[in-house]
Amino acid sequence: EPEVTQTPSHQVTQMGQEVILRCVPISNHLYFYWYRQILGQKVEFLVSFYNNEISEKSEIFDDQFSVERPDGSNFTLKIRSTKLEDSAMYFCASSTRLAVQETQYFGPGTRLLVL
Amino acid sequence: AQTVTQSQPEMSVQEAETVTLSCTYDTSESDYYLFWYKQPPSRQMILVIRQEAYKQQNATENRFSVNFQKAAKSFSLKISDSQLGDAAMYFCAYRVTQGGSEKLVFGKGTKLTVNP
Repeated sequence: EPEVTQTPSHQVTQMGQEVILRCVPISNHLYFYWYRQILGQKVEFLVSFYNNEISEKSEIFDDQFSVERPDGSNFTLKIRSTKLEDSAMYFCASSTRLAVQETQYFGPGTRLLVL
Repeated sequence: AQTVTQSQPEMSVQEAETVTLSCTYDTSESDYYLFWYKQPPSRQMILVIRQEAYKQQNATENRFSVNFQKAAKSFSLKISDSQLGDAAMYFCAYRVTQGGSEKLVFGKGTKLTVNP
């Protein structure tokens, strides 16, 4: 069964460093998302992406964050200058099309720790 | 703004018994989808079940079923014949569809413990 994959599974970085989290969505999916979950808290929407542009972003997704689909398969989330409060689990998700009934399938997550 | 509330931070159930996890939501839309996701200790988010708001029939997936009460804006998850592998965090989620948005809004989750 096709699945969303994410790399790395864990990443430790120093505050102020740039990190890139990578995701490979399910191959026929066209809509991509990033969510994050701070330890012990609920999952929060960051950004949605379609047709090579952001379709929606939350207030969390400030200028330090960016997304791109560089090669038609990978979908990346870049944090330009990490802060301690960026420590969280980051989930990538994808769906086939923009429709109410379409399910978003999640990857296994990347656990980011900022020191 | 749409909100999802899970009023039970923790629940426990004996193996083979039945447990119900509650979820309420607030929305002004008439057409939407609701989901239950399971998050085991590995922290991967796994879809358990989904419900279309326009369908009156409650969704079922094997041992998992929902009680969808649209007027009350309630969406509870029933797990029958609970198994040790059901132990996890369970998140209720609502699909927002404003202006083409597809974001999911999640509740805070319910931690389910299954006792042998």
